[in-house]
Amino acid sequence: KQEVTQIPAALSVPEGENLVLNCSFTDSAIYNLQWFRQDPGKGLTSLLLIQSSQREQTSGRLNASLDKSSGRSTLYIAASQPGDSATYLCAAAYSGAGSYQLTFGKGTKLSVIP
Amino acid sequence: DGGITQSPKYLFRKEGQNVTLSCEQNLNHDAMYWYRQDPGQGLRLIYYSQIVNDFQKGDIAEGYSVSREKKESFPLTVTSAQKNPTAFYLCASSITSNYGYTFGSGTRLTVV
Repeated sequence: KQEVTQIPAALSVPEGENLVLNCSFTDSAIYNLQWFRQDPGKGLTSLLLIQSSQREQTSGRLNASLDKSSGRSTLYIAASQPGDSATYLCAAAYSGAGSYQLTFGKGTKLSVIP
Repeated sequence: DGGITQSPKYLFRKEGQNVTLSCEQNLNHDAMYWYRQDPGQGLRLIYYSQIVNDFQKGDIAEGYSVSREKKESFPLTVTSAQKNPTAFYLCASSITSNYGYTFGSGTRLTVV
């Protein structure tokens, strides 16, 4: 059974800092890895999608990397802002029953302090 | 704008009652999914559907039922057999070319 782990569960940083969120997965045979943001009581917003053949993706101040051999992905947030405060979830897509489903980590709750 | 619409945002269920959560997408995505989110447990897959008139059980399908009569719609019924239905329910869809998921805004179900 595939497992996705995110450490730490919570992180607090001062505004302006660069930070890295970590995601590890047990099975390297992933199809893709996706990072999401979730605000309290809201749905998930997709941030970045990395296909298994890619090493990284960038969007604005966000950069996500993927290392299948080590079973790790990182989400780098540059120049953090209070508006970045949210829970960040990573999810790995694995093959199963003729399709691909996501296995989610439990998330890292980020607080950016003004 | 394309997206996924879940309704209602809040739903209250009495003991022994069936309730149906709506999920509609206009993204022309083939696949649709239902997840349940509980504090400290992450997201768990309830049901998913790759094409119209076909769906498969996920990890926690007991006490739930779905239908997929139209490509755009994937309603979830929480039956009285689901003993602990209080949770946040999320619907998602994806295209099968890259399986990038798009999520709705969720329905919070509470048993009263």
